[in-house]
Amino acid sequence: AQSVSQHNHHVILSEAASLELGCNYSYGGTVNLFWYVQYPGQHLQLLLKYFSGDPLVKGIKGFEAEFIKSKFSFNLRKPSVQWSDTAEYFCAVRGTGRRALTFGSGTRLQVQP
Amino acid sequence: DAGVIQSPRHEVTEMGQEVTLRCKPISGHNSLFWYRQTMMRGLELLIYFNNNVPIDDSGMPEDRFSAKMPNASFSTLKIQPSEPRDSAVYFCASSPTGADNEKLFFGSGTQLSVL
Repeated sequence: AQSVSQHNHHVILSEAASLELGCNYSYGGTVNLFWYVQYPGQHLQLLLKYFSGDPLVKGIKGFEAEFIKSKFSFNLRKPSVQWSDTAEYFCAVRGTGRRALTFGSGTRLQVQP
Repeated sequence: DAGVIQSPRHEVTEMGQEVTLRCKPISGHNSLFWYRQTMMRGLELLIYFNNNVPIDDSGMPEDRFSAKMPNASFSTLKIQPSEPRDSAVYFCASSPTGADNEKLFFGSGTQLSVL
């Protein structure tokens, strides 16, 4: 079975601070990895994804994530957050050959102006 | 394309009542997913369909929950009878086959409150 752990449930940062949200997954094979964002009152949107190749992937709005296979991790980063980044962030994993994504429990990010 | 369309956006009902949530996937997408989001458990996969056939319903919490996909453009998630612990946001998502099948397109969700 595949599973995802997000260690930070609630993160509060000031604007311009750097962000790193942790994500670890469990799956006994090759995986596809995703980060989704849910802004207040909106539905989930894809931020970035990793399938293969360069383990450092860049997404929208200045976000990036690094896949470290040896650590089963896919942490999300942003060098300088903005107030508009306030949202809930979900890491997700999908084993190759499977259709459904398994999501982590989410991390609520609050950016204070 | 209008995206994945869910209805209703909000549903408030009393315990014991039947609740039916509806979803229209994006035209041409052959996979449809139902997820439930709660504060306690985050986003959970309930069931997904491929070509209108249920593939994995292991996430359906109990027999009170049922889902159908009678055709490629419509799916329902039914709870009968509903209970307060079913209160959550229910998301429907669809994805295409082929090169874009990693993309999961979510609807706006149905906020369900069972009193």
